[in-house]
Amino acid sequence: IEVTQEPSMSVSPGGTVTLTCALGSGPIASNHRTSWYQQIPGQAPRTLIYNTDTRASGVPDRFSGSIAAGKAALTIAGAQADDESDYHCIIYVGGGYWVFGGGTRLTV
Amino acid sequence: QVQLVQSGTEVRKPGSSVKVSCLASGGALSEYSFSWVRQAPGRGLEWMGRVYPDLGIASYAPDFRGRVTITADKSTNMAYMELTTLTIEDTAIYFCAADRRFDSTSGGFFVDKWGRGTSVTVS
Repeated sequence: IEVTQEPSMSVSPGGTVTLTCALGSGPIASNHRTSWYQQIPGQAPRTLIYNTDTRASGVPDRFSGSIAAGKAALTIAGAQADDESDYHCIIYVGGGYWVFGGGTRLTV
Repeated sequence: QVQLVQSGTEVRKPGSSVKVSCLASGGALSEYSFSWVRQAPGRGLEWMGRVYPDLGIASYAPDFRGRVTITADKSTNMAYMELTTLTIEDTAIYFCAADRRFDSTSGGFFVDKWGRGTSVTVS
């Protein structure tokens, strides 16, 4: 099972960027329960979004999750310097089994 | 909120095994299951499996079935990940994660807290 993310993206400070997560075998839907994690290299991940569009506790509303055109999406609005990180998606594929995407390195 | 403390750095030879532990404290621990995720140097995250302490069962990613065993001991609030028949490709940081349910379906989990990771080097 292949889950694909953009290897790298960039955004200007104050700008908006959308990262995507695609499933090789078909469209991502709400039942894939997509989560998004932010990870500064060398640190543990931090949960941003779960169940497609639910923000984890303490996550600012500049971060939002959705599904568009068959892909899961993480949108960051008003990008800040400390948003420069790796972003990982994970989807539920059934049978108690989850699969990560390859991650996106975001440059601000 | 739950806090997770993982065991320390490990160095192993190819063909051997490693067992990493994760101590959970704080919060209502009966509400949590525990996942293990690894990250090889310069690579992305890789989901290995999850243990459900209240059910006494675990689920595993196909790539690891037969080599990984994930367990939990409710009496000591510990979760464990044992990986056998190690190769140099198993060199990675291994993260423990405490998962909570957001609904009753089999996919209804999210990571509430991450451990800091345990470095395992196979050489």
